[in-house]
Amino acid sequence: EEQLLESGGGLVQPGGSLRLSCVASGFTLSSYVMTWVRQAPGKGLEWLSEVSGSGTSTRYADSVKGRFTTSRDNSKNTLYLEMNSLRAEDTAVYHCAKKYSGGDGWFDPWGQGTLVTVSS
Amino acid sequence: QSVLTQPPSVSGAPGQGVIISCTGSTSNIGTGYHVHWYQHLPGTAPKLLIYGNSNRPSGVPDRFSGSKSGTSASLAITGLQAEDEADYYCQSYDSSLSGFVFGTGTKVTVL
Repeated sequence: EEQLLESGGGLVQPGGSLRLSCVASGFTLSSYVMTWVRQAPGKGLEWLSEVSGSGTSTRYADSVKGRFTTSRDNSKNTLYLEMNSLRAEDTAVYHCAKKYSGGDGWFDPWGQGTLVTVSS
Repeated sequence: QSVLTQPPSVSGAPGQGVIISCTGSTSNIGTGYHVHWYQHLPGTAPKLLIYGNSNRPSGVPDRFSGSKSGTSASLAITGLQAEDEADYYCQSYDSSLSGFVFGTGTKVTVL
């Protein structure tokens, strides 16, 4: 069974940094594009970033471009999201997901998420 | 920001059916990009319901069906069951934003 498990969330002050991890099991991580999606309290889902199977190509939503960095260590079956210059509006549950198919592909499976709270 | 618009909520009695609309534009659904649908219970992992406009993954009941026309898509749920109470999101790709977009989300209530 394919599974994803996020970790690394917590309470951080505005302007601070945090690194999230996502460990994959049941499939070969290097074969797939991986993504990060978040859900702020009371809000909908928001796509944040994706990284190619090799890790050499990334792209980001405008809301996090320049502040967040997505990377991966395929030898550890792990995806990362490095978050800097955090703002109150970054408070959310962060999910990782595997992307299927081409440019407009779908996400499956997803992890259950890790909560990030940005507050002083 | 959500560029795909869904109704905030829909409801139906057990056994009835509901339809959730997902309205986009010529930079996403209308361009020909596929639409996918997810079921989400807060605190859990979102679950893929429909991919490629109308395809069901293995294990998803045939009570769930998807369609797409022009700049819109729809998710139909027939024979509503209590376990269908959840939030539902459509998703596509937007060429203007060069990124993936989700719908605003619809809460389904089984009366």
